[in-house]
Amino acid sequence: SQTIHQWPATLVQPVGSPLSLECTVEGTSNPNLYWYRQAAGRGLQLLFYSVGIGQISSEVPQNLSASRPQDRQFILSSKKLLLSDSGFYLCASRFGTGNTGELFFGEGSRLTVL
Amino acid sequence: AQRVTQPEKLLSVFKGAPVELKCNYSYSGSPELFWYVQYSRQRLQLLLRHISRESIKGFTADLNKGETSFHLKKPFAQEEDSAMYYCARPHGSSNTGKLIFGQGTTLQVKP
Repeated sequence: SQTIHQWPATLVQPVGSPLSLECTVEGTSNPNLYWYRQAAGRGLQLLFYSVGIGQISSEVPQNLSASRPQDRQFILSSKKLLLSDSGFYLCASRFGTGNTGELFFGEGSRLTVL
Repeated sequence: AQRVTQPEKLLSVFKGAPVELKCNYSYSGSPELFWYVQYSRQRLQLLLRHISRESIKGFTADLNKGETSFHLKKPFAQEEDSAMYYCARPHGSSNTGKLIFGQGTTLQVKP
């Protein structure tokens, strides 16, 4: 079965500092990977998804970027954090094919920008 | 634009009472729909999906195309049902597996 690891679990960063959140997946190969943000009152927002190494699609314009240097590694980054980047970031991997596939989620990384 | 709407941020019921968590989706033929749940200090996980027509932990959800709804129901709530619930549907018709989630509803079951 798939396992998703995210770190760090919590992070407090000042405005203007860089960010790197990491996600790794075990138990599958060539997964589709996703970054979601869970912000208060706004539900789960899809930020990026990737269907393979080096292939990143951005869903919303923002201050963040994503990279996929290896098949089972997905990284969320920022060069300069904004207050509005605070939130709970979830990495997910898809199990199955088509649009009926289930998403497996990591435990999340809580980012607070001060 | 495709949307999933959960009108209630918080639903509070007493143990043993019936529960209905509302979900409406924007019309797009016959969408595949899901309910995800996040218990305290646990990962967000799939609860049930429309296509399976299954009952999980006593919960069921019926797709109503006329009302474009996929409400989650349970006849008798238990305290362990307290959690955040998200309704979701695929984003677009591509095979990317992207899901659109609603805003989420916190279910609080009081003893």
